[in-house]
Amino acid sequence: DTEVTQTPKHLVMGMTNKKSLKCEQHMGHRAMYWYKQKAKKPPELMFVYSYEKLSINESVPSRFSPECPNSSLLNLHLHALQPEDSALYLCASSQFREVNTEAFFGQGTRLTVV
Amino acid sequence: AQKVTQAQTEISVVEKEDVTLDCVYETRDTTYYLFWYKQPPSGELVFLIRRNSFDEQNEISGRYSWNFQKSTSSFNFTITASQVVDSAVYFCALGMEYGNKLVFGAGTILRVKS
Repeated sequence: DTEVTQTPKHLVMGMTNKKSLKCEQHMGHRAMYWYKQKAKKPPELMFVYSYEKLSINESVPSRFSPECPNSSLLNLHLHALQPEDSALYLCASSQFREVNTEAFFGQGTRLTVV
Repeated sequence: AQKVTQAQTEISVVEKEDVTLDCVYETRDTTYYLFWYKQPPSGELVFLIRRNSFDEQNEISGRYSWNFQKSTSSFNFTITASQVVDSAVYFCALGMEYGNKLVFGAGTILRVKS
């Protein structure tokens, strides 16, 4: 199983809503990532979890709150988002953080903030 | 600072043509990793290849081939006999020895017409 599964695939939320994005992998990878991708742009790293601990936060606003409940799951909690936060949110995993290995990406959640 | 440049914003070819996607990178590190990812319309990034800085051997995988030249800091990707299913956005990315943060190029949109 070489899949990273993200749910939901599409999400529309209002600026006062609270929602969560979910990501799951069963490859035994110990590093998991959240990326944000705006239309016609490359992905931008948001967070890195290594061994279930947050190791990198790329100065992401606090309205985005990551959580790693266990080694297979990664959540991104959303609250009070702005329309400019509308984007494709990609989850990825890799075997380790310390050694640079290939990352496997999910299909993403296409988020629209209205 | 690390940087990846994909100068070709968009390329259109007719099926069965060969096409080369250019990637130029900048880094002062001696150990680094180069990647190519494909992003079809469905959204996920599909890993194509990882190359470390000490391995300048060119690689061929089916219709895909990669040319790594440290002298020109380039890691170009060629698709032979292109097919409509090759239509996607292709990203070149650079990773450092430690940590798993990828620096992506802007991406090249490849359109293969039948």
